[in-house]
Amino acid sequence: DTGVSQDPRHKITKRGQNVTFRCDPISEHNRLYWYRQTLGQGPEFLTYFQNEAQLEKSRLLSDRFSAERPKGSFSTLEIQRTEQGDSAMYLCASSPRRDTEAFFGQGTRLTVV
Amino acid sequence: KNEVEQSPQNLTAQEGEFITINCSYSVGISALHWLQQHPGGGIVSLFMLSSGKKKHGRLIATINIQEKHSSLHITASHPRDSAVYICAVAIIQGAQKLVFGQGTRLTINP
Repeated sequence: DTGVSQDPRHKITKRGQNVTFRCDPISEHNRLYWYRQTLGQGPEFLTYFQNEAQLEKSRLLSDRFSAERPKGSFSTLEIQRTEQGDSAMYLCASSPRRDTEAFFGQGTRLTVV
Repeated sequence: KNEVEQSPQNLTAQEGEFITINCSYSVGISALHWLQQHPGGGIVSLFMLSSGKKKHGRLIATINIQEKHSSLHITASHPRDSAVYICAVAIIQGAQKLVFGQGTRLTINP
């Protein structure tokens, strides 16, 4: 058990480019969450997967954002046509079932220039 | 008004002092989490509470469900305790997503 892994740790991109982040949850954790954290703020919920099904999405997740979790294992978060306001830390968390502790990855820090 | 409010936002103390961080929430929850975040971003879970009190080493967390309030205490604080401490509540419906407070930046001086 190596914990929740996120890749890359840092990403600098030019405005208008597309970026994709990956999250590998702890093996056999069927619940996977994406959160976004801007400087000085607490994280905010983006989306939730139970196995391969995306069951909940925040209104923060505009149509430029898409997330997938094929086969219920790793997940990807893609941002199309990035904007400077997308600059943030993107955090992934997983948990094995309801009412259990959440395990967080180290996050991907995105900077849009 | 935020659904989860923490106080104070910043706290500086001397090594050895007793630290208290407070969290109030206004929504129905299935559990409350206390998390620690170090520079660089990684978040570590300290406690998950649904009632009463829990203790790990020098850290103690309490929750009062009726008053919708929780506290995190650190006894005999040490410079290595310096970090951002975040209160988060798991929403009772659906995904049990976490709603986070803004965090408390704690600095312990030697």
